[in-house]
Amino acid sequence: DGGITQSPKYLFRKEGQNVTLSCEQNLNHDAMYWYRQDPGQGLRLIYYSQIVNDFQKGDIAEGYSVSREKKESFPLTVTSAQKNPTAFYLCASRLAGGLLYEQYFGPGTRLTVT
Amino acid sequence: QQPVQSPQAVILREGEDAVINCSSSKALYSVHWYRQKHGEAPVFLMILLKGGEQKGHDKISASFNEKKQQSSLYLTASQLSYSGTYFCGTDAGGTSYGKLTFGQGTILTVHP
Repeated sequence: DGGITQSPKYLFRKEGQNVTLSCEQNLNHDAMYWYRQDPGQGLRLIYYSQIVNDFQKGDIAEGYSVSREKKESFPLTVTSAQKNPTAFYLCASRLAGGLLYEQYFGPGTRLTVT
Repeated sequence: QQPVQSPQAVILREGEDAVINCSSSKALYSVHWYRQKHGEAPVFLMILLKGGEQKGHDKISASFNEKKQQSSLYLTASQLSYSGTYFCGTDAGGTSYGKLTFGQGTILTVHP
């Protein structure tokens, strides 16, 4: 079955530690996205990538970093510079080059930093 | 800038109808609609393009007024499974094509 995998589902870290969230897709999608969701709020875009080895900052990129070395993988690192890292993180992917292509979302990783 | 959704919350009885609105201050290329159940991933409902093309589920309809930069999602004969938070995502196109900006969400609760 094709889909997007995010691991782990729950992640706990101490303040001051960097942490990397995994996102893998086997849908052969070109574009991949990272969103942050806080309780009662919408999805805010952190980073996105339209093609391998290229990515752009979203609306809230400060304190985060990404890489896109393979088409199927788009890991997100939450650095110690991110002031409020506790949140629900969603990865998404999408076919590029078409106008009616929707984003497919992974199951999410809930990160708690104490 | 984030699109504004209204209402913030809706409570329905099964079988009733609802309309959820999404309004942007920017010119839009497309509007996407998603539904999210608590703690789960958002699920695709509809895409509406400038010019009239659209794609989505048979039981859900939506409109897109390009001039007013507004979209509405119409949920008719609601079912219990329609409960969740509905988000619109707007794409301004151009250099930001493919980048969605989501509204704050509308919480829909359907009771038996």
